[in-house]
Amino acid sequence: DAKTTQPPSMDCAEGRAANLPCNHSTISGNEYVYWYRQIHSQGPQYIIHGLKNNETNEMASLIITEDRKSSTLILPHATLRDTAVYYCIVRVATGGSYIPTFGRGTSLIVHP
Amino acid sequence: EAGVTQFPSHSVIEKGQTVTLRCDPISGHDNLYWYRRVMGKEIKFLLHFVKESKQDESGMPNNRFLAERTGGTYSTLKVQPAELEDSGVYFCASSQTGGGADTQYFGPGTRLTVL
Repeated sequence: DAKTTQPPSMDCAEGRAANLPCNHSTISGNEYVYWYRQIHSQGPQYIIHGLKNNETNEMASLIITEDRKSSTLILPHATLRDTAVYYCIVRVATGGSYIPTFGRGTSLIVHP
Repeated sequence: EAGVTQFPSHSVIEKGQTVTLRCDPISGHDNLYWYRRVMGKEIKFLLHFVKESKQDESGMPNNRFLAERTGGTYSTLKVQPAELEDSGVYFCASSQTGGGADTQYFGPGTRLTVL
């Protein structure tokens, strides 16, 4: 299983970019990197995913290093509502399913 | 398009009682997943349906938990009899296609408290 390592917490000023790092040094060639976030006690919310190319959508950008051993989620202009726990997940195949394995994630606090 | 819905949002029961949680996936999604988060712990996978078939139930904690998805639409997760350690938040997720890149969309969860 490819494990991920994230800092337990980070903070960011409102309006500034939030850069959340993730290490996944044992990732396999066909495993995708996914990012989810959980705001307070709501259900996890999908943010973005990628295989090896950088990706961007309306929520964030995902930068994956060339060796795929690490990635960075970028929230370009963080708002107070982006305060949440962010999970970097490498999809692992088990029993015919691709199940996201949630770790502890990074608790991001966006302050005024 | 409606998202994944779960019912009830909260349930408080006594030890030994039975509780049934329901999940309605996004329309057209063949894959349905159940997860659980026990207080202070990480979100853990319970099982995965593809349509009405159980694809993977390796995460089910014991035989007190029974999941069904008759007709391949909504799913129920029954806990009988409930124990104190079953307390937590139960999440359901659905996705459209299988494979390594299907994106799972989560419901708001059901908070279960066993007294």
